[in-house]
Amino acid sequence: DVKVTQSSRYLVKRTGEKVFLECVQDMDHENMFWYRQDPGLGLRLIYFSYDVKMKEKGDIPEGYSVSREKKERFSLILESASTNQTSMYLCASSRETGGGSPLHFGNGTRLTVT
Amino acid sequence: AQSVTQLDSQVPVFEEAPVELRCNYSSSVSVYLFWYVQYPNQGLQLLLKYLSGSTLVKGINGFEAEFNKSQTSFHLRKPSVHISDTAEYFCAVSGREFAGNNRKLIWGLGTSLGVNP
Repeated sequence: DVKVTQSSRYLVKRTGEKVFLECVQDMDHENMFWYRQDPGLGLRLIYFSYDVKMKEKGDIPEGYSVSREKKERFSLILESASTNQTSMYLCASSRETGGGSPLHFGNGTRLTVT
Repeated sequence: AQSVTQLDSQVPVFEEAPVELRCNYSSSVSVYLFWYVQYPNQGLQLLLKYLSGSTLVKGINGFEAEFNKSQTSFHLRKPSVHISDTAEYFCAVSGREFAGNNRKLIWGLGTSLGVNP
């Protein structure tokens, strides 16, 4: 079974702090994704990566950056956290670059910015 | 551009009753279709997918979905639900052609299924 592990389930940070959310997958998947999930807004794609050191902006990249130095690890960075970034963050991976490959999700990190 | 509409934000049902969660999509290209489930305090997991072939797709936990190309729908059904099916259900679509934004999944806003005893 594919395992996608997010380093924290719950995180509380202060406004202006730099925040790192880490995600590791153990199945040698090419693709990794960061989503945020908010009530009434569903899942929104922040960034994704199809290869090491490669990244593409999703639908809501503002205020975020990412890093993929190794194939198994995809980090989401909030350069200066703000209260409107309080949300559930979900990491996912998939095997192939074609659209038919399903996503495997981690259990999420619930971030609160105060 | 592609879009996905889940027609019901909440569906309350009694245990052992049948349920249908509705999903319609729009797309200018051929698509792959997915249903994912999210149990409380967990990430999403794949319920089933339609890639090609038979339009009736069976998934985990007794769920099935039917792809209807003419109605651009992919409704999820279960003949008899359990309390443990209480969860959020998401429909998603991606383009078959590997080019640009067709690679990305487009998500519906989710349907909250509440199963009552």
